[in-house]
Amino acid sequence: SYELTQPPSVSVSPGQTASITCSGDALPNQYAYWYQQKPGQAPVLVIYKDSQRPSGIPGRFSGSSSGTTATLTISGVQAEDEAEYSCQSADINGKQIVFGGGTKVTVL
Amino acid sequence: QVQLQASGPGLVRPSETLSLTCTVSGGSISTNRYYWVWIRQSPGRGLEWISSIHYRGDTYFKASLKSRVTTSVDTSKNQFSLRLSSVTAADTAIYYCAREEYISAGAPWFDLWGQGTQVTVSS
Repeated sequence: SYELTQPPSVSVSPGQTASITCSGDALPNQYAYWYQQKPGQAPVLVIYKDSQRPSGIPGRFSGSSSGTTATLTISGVQAEDEAEYSCQSADINGKQIVFGGGTKVTVL
Repeated sequence: QVQLQASGPGLVRPSETLSLTCTVSGGSISTNRYYWVWIRQSPGRGLEWISSIHYRGDTYFKASLKSRVTTSVDTSKNQFSLRLSSVTAADTAIYYCAREEYISAGAPWFDLWGQGTQVTVSS
Protein backbone atom coordinates (compact mmCIF):
# COMPACT_ATOMS: atom_id res chain seq x y z
CA SER A 1 0.00 0.00 0.00
CA TYR A 2 1.04 3.59 -0.56
CA GLU A 3 3.08 5.29 2.17
CA LEU A 4 4.34 8.74 3.06
CA THR A 5 7.63 8.96 4.96
CA GLN A 6 8.53 11.64 7.50
CA PRO A 7 11.45 11.95 9.94
CA PRO A 8 10.34 11.03 13.46
CA SER A 9 11.69 14.16 15.07
CA VAL A 10 13.15 17.59 14.43
CA SER A 11 14.71 19.89 17.03
CA VAL A 12 15.06 23.62 16.57
CA SER A 13 16.00 26.65 18.65
CA PRO A 14 13.54 29.52 19.04
CA GLY A 15 13.76 31.97 16.18
CA GLN A 16 15.39 29.45 13.85
CA THR A 17 13.86 27.62 10.91
CA ALA A 18 12.43 24.11 11.05
CA SER A 19 11.99 22.07 7.89
CA ILE A 20 10.00 18.84 7.81
CA THR A 21 10.04 16.58 4.78
CA CYS A 22 7.45 14.15 3.50
CA SER A 23 8.36 11.66 0.79
CA GLY A 24 6.01 9.69 -1.41
CA ASP A 25 6.07 8.30 -4.92
CA ALA A 26 2.76 9.89 -5.91
CA LEU A 27 3.60 13.40 -4.72
CA PRO A 28 4.57 14.59 -8.22
CA ASN A 29 0.90 14.01 -9.11
CA GLN A 30 -0.92 14.69 -5.84
CA TYR A 31 -1.13 17.66 -3.50
CA ALA A 32 0.40 17.46 -0.03
CA TYR A 33 -1.33 18.74 3.09
CA TRP A 34 0.07 19.42 6.55
CA TYR A 35 -1.54 19.20 9.99
CA GLN A 36 -0.36 20.38 13.38
CA GLN A 37 -1.41 18.38 16.43
CA LYS A 38 -0.72 19.34 20.03
CA PRO A 39 -1.10 16.84 22.89
CA GLY A 40 -4.69 16.04 23.68
CA GLN A 41 -6.01 18.05 20.74
CA ALA A 42 -7.36 17.28 17.29
CA PRO A 43 -5.17 18.01 14.27
CA VAL A 44 -5.37 21.43 12.64
CA LEU A 45 -4.75 22.03 8.93
CA VAL A 46 -1.80 24.41 8.46
CA ILE A 47 -1.02 23.97 4.74
CA TYR A 48 -3.23 22.80 1.87
CA LYS A 49 -2.55 22.19 -1.81
CA ASP A 50 1.24 22.06 -1.22
CA SER A 51 1.69 25.70 -0.27
CA GLN A 52 -1.60 27.42 0.58
CA ARG A 53 -2.18 28.67 4.09
CA PRO A 54 -5.68 28.54 5.62
CA SER A 55 -7.13 31.62 7.19
CA GLY A 56 -5.79 32.12 10.70
CA ILE A 57 -2.53 30.22 10.22
CA PRO A 58 0.52 32.43 10.90
CA GLY A 59 2.68 33.48 7.99
CA ARG A 60 5.73 31.72 9.42
CA PHE A 61 4.23 28.44 8.17
CA SER A 62 4.94 27.70 4.51
CA GLY A 63 4.92 24.67 2.26
CA SER A 64 6.49 23.53 -0.97
CA SER A 65 6.67 20.41 -3.07
CA SER A 66 9.18 19.20 -5.62
CA GLY A 67 9.25 15.78 -7.19
CA THR A 68 8.58 13.10 -4.60
CA THR A 69 9.18 15.35 -1.58
CA ALA A 70 6.94 17.90 0.09
CA THR A 71 8.34 20.22 2.74
CA LEU A 72 6.77 22.16 5.60
CA THR A 73 8.87 25.09 6.77
CA ILE A 74 8.37 27.00 9.99
CA SER A 75 10.35 30.22 9.94
CA GLY A 76 11.17 32.00 13.18
CA VAL A 77 9.98 29.08 15.30
CA GLN A 78 8.16 29.95 18.50
CA ALA A 79 7.67 27.84 21.62
CA GLU A 80 3.99 27.44 20.72
CA ASP A 81 4.97 25.64 17.51
CA GLU A 82 6.13 22.60 19.48
CA ALA A 83 3.79 19.87 18.25
CA GLU A 84 3.46 16.81 16.01
CA TYR A 85 3.22 17.60 12.29
CA SER A 86 1.73 15.12 9.84
CA CYS A 87 1.64 15.23 6.07
CA GLN A 88 -1.27 13.81 4.10
CA SER A 89 -1.90 13.02 0.47
CA ALA A 90 -3.37 10.22 -1.63
CA ASP A 91 -2.29 7.49 -3.99
CA ILE A 92 -2.03 8.06 -7.73
CA ASN A 93 -5.77 7.47 -8.15
CA GLY A 94 -6.72 9.89 -5.38
CA LYS A 95 -8.97 7.40 -3.61
CA GLN A 96 -6.67 5.98 -0.94
CA ILE A 97 -5.86 8.77 1.46
CA VAL A 98 -2.71 8.39 3.51
CA PHE A 99 -0.91 10.20 6.31
CA GLY A 100 2.76 10.24 7.08
CA GLY A 101 3.90 8.85 10.40
CA GLY A 102 4.26 12.31 11.93
CA THR A 103 7.23 14.43 12.97
CA LYS A 104 7.64 15.67 16.52
CA VAL A 105 9.01 19.21 16.50
CA THR A 106 10.81 20.11 19.69
CA VAL A 107 11.66 23.74 20.43
CA LEU A 108 14.86 23.75 22.44
CA GLN B 1 -19.34 28.13 13.03
CA VAL B 2 -19.54 24.48 12.04
CA GLN B 3 -18.53 21.99 14.70
CA LEU B 4 -18.22 18.21 14.75
CA GLN B 5 -18.71 15.99 17.77
CA ALA B 6 -18.07 12.25 17.78
CA SER B 7 -19.84 10.03 20.26
CA GLY B 8 -20.16 6.35 21.08
CA PRO B 9 -19.24 3.63 23.56
CA GLY B 10 -15.75 3.95 24.95
CA LEU B 11 -15.36 0.20 25.41
CA VAL B 12 -16.07 -2.52 22.87
CA ARG B 13 -15.56 -6.26 23.31
CA PRO B 14 -13.30 -8.15 20.88
CA SER B 15 -15.15 -9.57 17.85
CA GLU B 16 -18.05 -7.15 18.34
CA THR B 17 -19.00 -4.10 16.27
CA LEU B 18 -17.81 -0.59 17.05
CA SER B 19 -20.48 2.06 16.38
CA LEU B 20 -19.82 5.79 16.39
CA THR B 21 -21.88 8.83 15.44
CA CYS B 22 -20.70 12.31 14.49
CA THR B 23 -23.09 15.21 14.97
CA VAL B 24 -22.60 18.26 12.75
CA SER B 25 -23.74 21.54 14.29
CA GLY B 26 -23.73 25.09 12.96
CA GLY B 27 -24.17 24.00 9.36
CA SER B 28 -25.89 21.45 7.14
CA ILE B 29 -24.44 18.06 6.32
CA SER B 30 -26.38 18.20 3.05
CA THR B 31 -23.89 20.20 1.06
CA ASN B 32 -22.26 19.24 -2.21
CA ARG B 33 -19.01 20.85 -1.15
CA TYR B 34 -17.98 18.34 1.50
CA TYR B 35 -17.52 14.70 2.30
CA TRP B 36 -17.73 13.49 5.89
CA VAL B 37 -14.87 11.45 7.20
CA TRP B 38 -13.66 9.06 9.90
CA ILE B 39 -10.00 9.04 10.90
CA ARG B 40 -8.36 7.23 13.80
CA GLN B 41 -5.14 7.47 15.74
CA SER B 42 -3.75 4.56 17.73
CA PRO B 43 -1.56 5.16 20.80
CA GLY B 44 1.85 6.36 19.69
CA ARG B 45 0.97 5.88 16.05
CA GLY B 46 0.10 8.15 13.18
CA LEU B 47 -3.24 9.17 11.79
CA GLU B 48 -5.15 6.63 9.70
CA TRP B 49 -7.96 7.56 7.32
CA ILE B 50 -10.87 5.09 7.46
CA SER B 51 -13.71 6.28 5.21
CA SER B 52 -15.38 9.20 3.47
CA ILE B 53 -19.07 9.66 2.66
CA HIS B 54 -21.05 12.30 0.77
CA TYR B 55 -24.59 13.12 1.85
CA ARG B 56 -25.82 11.84 -1.53
CA GLY B 57 -24.33 8.44 -0.66
CA ASP B 58 -21.02 8.28 -2.49
CA THR B 59 -18.50 6.50 -0.26
CA TYR B 60 -14.94 5.31 -0.33
CA PHE B 61 -12.88 3.39 2.19
CA LYS B 62 -9.36 2.47 3.16
CA ALA B 63 -8.78 -0.72 1.20
CA SER B 64 -7.53 -2.79 4.14
CA LEU B 65 -10.59 -1.89 6.25
CA LYS B 66 -13.27 -1.95 3.58
CA SER B 67 -14.59 -5.41 4.40
CA ARG B 68 -15.32 -4.38 8.01
CA VAL B 69 -16.54 -0.79 7.57
CA THR B 70 -20.04 0.56 7.06
CA THR B 71 -20.77 4.26 6.96
CA SER B 72 -24.01 6.19 6.60
CA VAL B 73 -25.52 9.68 6.67
CA ASP B 74 -28.73 10.76 8.42
CA THR B 75 -29.61 14.14 6.96
CA SER B 76 -32.66 14.53 9.20
CA LYS B 77 -30.41 14.45 12.26
CA ASN B 78 -27.39 16.11 10.60
CA GLN B 79 -25.29 13.12 11.58
CA PHE B 80 -23.06 10.53 9.99
CA SER B 81 -22.02 7.20 11.42
CA LEU B 82 -19.33 4.52 11.40
CA ARG B 83 -19.65 0.83 12.08
CA LEU B 84 -16.51 -1.30 12.28
CA SER B 85 -17.13 -5.01 12.67
CA SER B 86 -15.07 -7.83 14.17
CA VAL B 87 -12.90 -5.51 16.22
CA THR B 88 -9.63 -6.53 17.84
CA ALA B 89 -7.19 -4.79 20.16
CA ALA B 90 -5.58 -3.28 17.06
CA ASP B 91 -8.71 -1.17 16.60
CA THR B 92 -8.14 0.60 19.91
CA ALA B 93 -7.69 4.27 19.02
CA ILE B 94 -8.99 7.80 19.22
CA TYR B 95 -11.59 8.11 16.49
CA TYR B 96 -12.02 11.51 14.88
CA CYS B 97 -14.77 12.69 12.60
CA ALA B 98 -13.78 15.38 10.14
CA ARG B 99 -14.90 17.34 7.11
CA GLU B 100 -13.29 16.72 3.74
CA GLU B 101 -13.11 19.47 1.17
CA TYR B 102 -14.38 17.98 -2.08
CA ILE B 103 -11.95 18.11 -4.95
CA SER B 104 -12.84 16.92 -8.44
CA ALA B 105 -9.53 15.16 -8.91
CA GLY B 106 -6.62 14.29 -6.66
CA ALA B 107 -6.02 14.21 -2.95
CA PRO B 108 -8.64 15.95 -0.81
CA TRP B 109 -7.97 17.49 2.57
CA PHE B 110 -9.58 17.79 5.97
CA ASP B 111 -10.34 21.34 6.98
CA LEU B 112 -12.37 20.75 10.13
CA TRP B 113 -12.02 18.10 12.84
CA GLY B 114 -14.03 17.04 15.85
CA GLN B 115 -12.32 16.50 19.18
CA GLY B 116 -12.21 12.74 18.90
CA THR B 117 -13.50 9.94 21.05
CA GLN B 118 -11.43 7.20 22.68
CA VAL B 119 -12.46 3.64 21.86
CA THR B 120 -10.84 0.73 23.66
CA VAL B 121 -11.27 -2.86 22.53
CA SER B 122 -11.00 -5.16 25.51
CA SER B 123 -12.83 -8.00 27.19
